[in-house]
Amino acid sequence: GIQVEQSPPDLILQEGANSTLRCNFSDSVNNLQWFHQNPWGQLINLFYIPSGTKQNGRLSATTVATERYSLLYISSSQTTDSGVYFCAVESGANSKLTFGKGITLSVRP
Amino acid sequence: DAGITQSPRHKVTETGTPVTLRCHQTENHRYMYWYRQDPGHGLRLIHYSYGVKDTDKGEVSDGYSVSRSKTEDFLLTLESATSSQTSVYFCAISESDRGYLTDTQYFGPGTRLTVL
Repeated sequence: GIQVEQSPPDLILQEGANSTLRCNFSDSVNNLQWFHQNPWGQLINLFYIPSGTKQNGRLSATTVATERYSLLYISSSQTTDSGVYFCAVESGANSKLTFGKGITLSVRP
Repeated sequence: DAGITQSPRHKVTETGTPVTLRCHQTENHRYMYWYRQDPGHGLRLIHYSYGVKDTDKGEVSDGYSVSRSKTEDFLLTLESATSSQTSVYFCAISESDRGYLTDTQYFGPGTRLTVL
């Protein structure tokens, strides 16, 4: 099946800094989503972005499907951005998402 | 909030006992999913449903069964729980109306299951 690799595995930032989280995938995809899991365990959908660029406040995401990667940008990070960020992809029309192992982000005040 | 609830939220049980987890949604979405989350593995799909009585296996389906007799409820059953099934279980829904293509997924709050 499709492989999803996220990097870096861990990231520590000072509040106010910017960061880029990467997701590489091994096959063509028709669906890519980014999720944030907060320290209380809740999973929040950030972006549905199989291709192109989207922005939502301080967060933006870009997927270059032809080169099989996606990037999540966090600008002016806040302590509430801490948690784990997951990338998930669907390859083929099989109704299933495959998740990466996540990137743990810690934003320090 | 996509109107997804899970019950129970926490459960401790003993090896060999049956366990049923419930996922309930209020918005009549067609697709529902059960995942488990374990350290170092991210989220892995157990089973999913694409309609009432229509279910299929995911990546880690061994030891689990599911049922969906109503649109709003998706049940996950561990017939005989084992310690390896200690995990956090998440239910999700998808708003997909594009055939078999997954659309944006929304997650429930999770159930923490401990099998002693």
